[in-house]
Amino acid sequence: GAGVSQSPRYKVAKRGQDVALRCDPISGHVSLFWYQQALGQGPEFLTYFQNEAQLDKSGLPSDRFFAERPEGSVSTLKIQRTQQEDSAVYLCASSPTFYQGETDTQYFGPGTRLTVL
Amino acid sequence: DQQVKQNSPSLSVQEGRISILNCDYTNSMFDYFLWYKKYPAEGPTFLISISSIKDKNEDGRFTVFLNKSAKHLSLHIVPSQPGDSAVYFCAASGTGNQFYFGTGTSLTVIP
Repeated sequence: GAGVSQSPRYKVAKRGQDVALRCDPISGHVSLFWYQQALGQGPEFLTYFQNEAQLDKSGLPSDRFFAERPEGSVSTLKIQRTQQEDSAVYLCASSPTFYQGETDTQYFGPGTRLTVL
Repeated sequence: DQQVKQNSPSLSVQEGRISILNCDYTNSMFDYFLWYKKYPAEGPTFLISISSIKDKNEDGRFTVFLNKSAKHLSLHIVPSQPGDSAVYFCAASGTGNQFYFGTGTSLTVIP
């Protein structure tokens, strides 16, 4: 079956531009996560959705970052007024369920590489 | 502050030998640990996981060991194959659903 897909795969933006990154999770997956991966680093958590509810946005680095998942499937990560330090790979992951006390495996998309000039 | 650490950025191993990748963590509340494998230009792919109630989990050529007292886990690959060459990330999770990742170890298996 289809895995997690992300678009665009590559995005170049001028400093100050707004960007929107899309994630299509695996069909039926309840949970969706966004991560930011800087060069040479591991993925760092940004935000988490359970269906359409954004339950944790503690990792968003500033109020320029906004994520939504209005119908509980596709999600969009929006970055306003991009800065050079926003350059990174943005990864989306989904998992089938959320069990209290046990963590489901997360399945990752290929990522969107954002370069801010 | 990095809660999950992989202190070896790279590792080279001869084909057929054992690869051992190490990971240390600082948060004693972590109770679920995973290893992901990542090829260039692809997202991380789940490899193997272990719950804190176990100290070993095996899946084919891959075994993960957990030492809770030392806050240390390791991934053993035996025998190593050239197709195993990739970046390996360990990740940990606690009471929430957020995963904390290490910085990765680049494994090269030499034919």
